Amino acid sequence: NAGVTQTPKFQVLKTGQSMTLQCAQDMNHEYMSWYRQDPGMGLRLIHYSVGAGITDQGEVPNGYNVSRSTTEDFPLRLLSAAPSQTSVYFCASSRGLAGGRANEQFFGPGTRLTVL
Amino acid sequence: DAKTTQPNSMESNEEEPVHLPCNHSTISGTDYIHWYRQLPSQGPEYVIHGLTSNVNNRMASLAIAEDRKSSTLILHRATLRDAAVYYCILENNYGQNFVFGPGTRLSVLP
Repeated sequence: NAGVTQTPKFQVLKTGQSMTLQCAQDMNHEYMSWYRQDPGMGLRLIHYSVGAGITDQGEVPNGYNVSRSTTEDFPLRLLSAAPSQTSVYFCASSRGLAGGRANEQFFGPGTRLTVL
Repeated sequence: DAKTTQPNSMESNEEEPVHLPCNHSTISGTDYIHWYRQLPSQGPEYVIHGLTSNVNNRMASLAIAEDRKSSTLILHRATLRDAAVYYCILENNYGQNFVFGPGTRLSVLP
């Protein structure tokens, strides 16, 4: 299993540009989520999905869109990039409800995004 | 969501035990206690979790206070590879929507 994969690893954007961060998992996990991590801070939840076709907002959703058309993929779209979105983005997955209580979250390696 | 409090940083010598504390005084009866760690330039990785009883696995031990208002992650023999940020997280929703605090940055001295 590849686990959780994210592309690209690094990206530089100009203010106002749009882009999509890709996330895929091959563990047949129901639950997927996106976090951002600013320097010296913990991770903050952007959006999450409890299954294909279902998404919801997390703590910091503004400026981001998500969709979940398949179990495997959960892309994160930046609509109009701003310098405040400079951060490291992590995708995570878990079995969710199917795993019962306290199931482990698996994190991808992250995408380091800089917005100029 | 119930919150956790951890020291900002700790230091340990290599091959010595490390006790990383976490306070969670507002924990509810159904909250699991999770520990994750984040090595430099990597995503977080699972370390251990527990509900009421102490837990051991190949990476660490988790000691949970009887009133569950605090817990301690124990690394039995710290190695240089254990230098990371350690996060104590309460989970009450099937492993979803973790709330990460700033964690404890553990330095391991050779």
